[in-house]
Amino acid sequence: AQSVTQPDIHITVSEGASLELRCNYSYGATPYLFWYVQSPGQGLQLLLKYFSGDTLVQGIKGFEAEFKRSQSSFNLRKPSVHWSDAAEYFCAVNTNAGKSTFGDGTTLTVKP
Amino acid sequence: DTGVSQDPRHKITKRGQNVTFRCDPISEHNRLYWYRQTLGQGPEFLTYFQNEAQLEKSRLLSDRFSAERPKGSFSTLEIQRTEQGDSAMYLCASSSDGGRMEGYTFGSGTRLTVV
Repeated sequence: AQSVTQPDIHITVSEGASLELRCNYSYGATPYLFWYVQSPGQGLQLLLKYFSGDTLVQGIKGFEAEFKRSQSSFNLRKPSVHWSDAAEYFCAVNTNAGKSTFGDGTTLTVKP
Repeated sequence: DTGVSQDPRHKITKRGQNVTFRCDPISEHNRLYWYRQTLGQGPEFLTYFQNEAQLEKSRLLSDRFSAERPKGSFSTLEIQRTEQGDSAMYLCASSSDGGRMEGYTFGSGTRLTVV
């Protein structure tokens, strides 16, 4: 069965600093990977996805993620964080049927 | 299209009562998913539909939960004889028929509180 681990429950960064959120997955076949962002009391919004090709993928809001098969990782990055990026971030892997398994999320706090 | 709509946004119910939630997906999406999310956790899969067919239901889902998607349009999720452990955010999402390559479009969720 597939699984996703997000090792960091909570991360705090200063505004303007760079950000990296970690995601490790377990899946027997080629993984289809996603990052979502969730603001308090809201649903999740898709940031980016990876399923083939270039291992560095660009998403919305200036986010990018790098797929590393050897490390079973799909880490999310942003060069310069804005206060509006404060939210919870979820990594997910899809099965063949399109069903997503999510990690437990990382809460990002941005210091002024 | 206004995205995925869920109704109500919030529901407070007494233990033992039945509740029903509604989800209206993006009109051209034929896949519809229900997830449950509790505090500090990621969304947990409940069930999903392709058109009107319910293709999978989580083994974790008790018989008190039922979902329908008549005519492949909107969907309802019903919880019978609610328990305090049912308190959670119930999320609906839809996707096109791209399957594993497609991400989801989520609704804003229904927050259920069982007292």
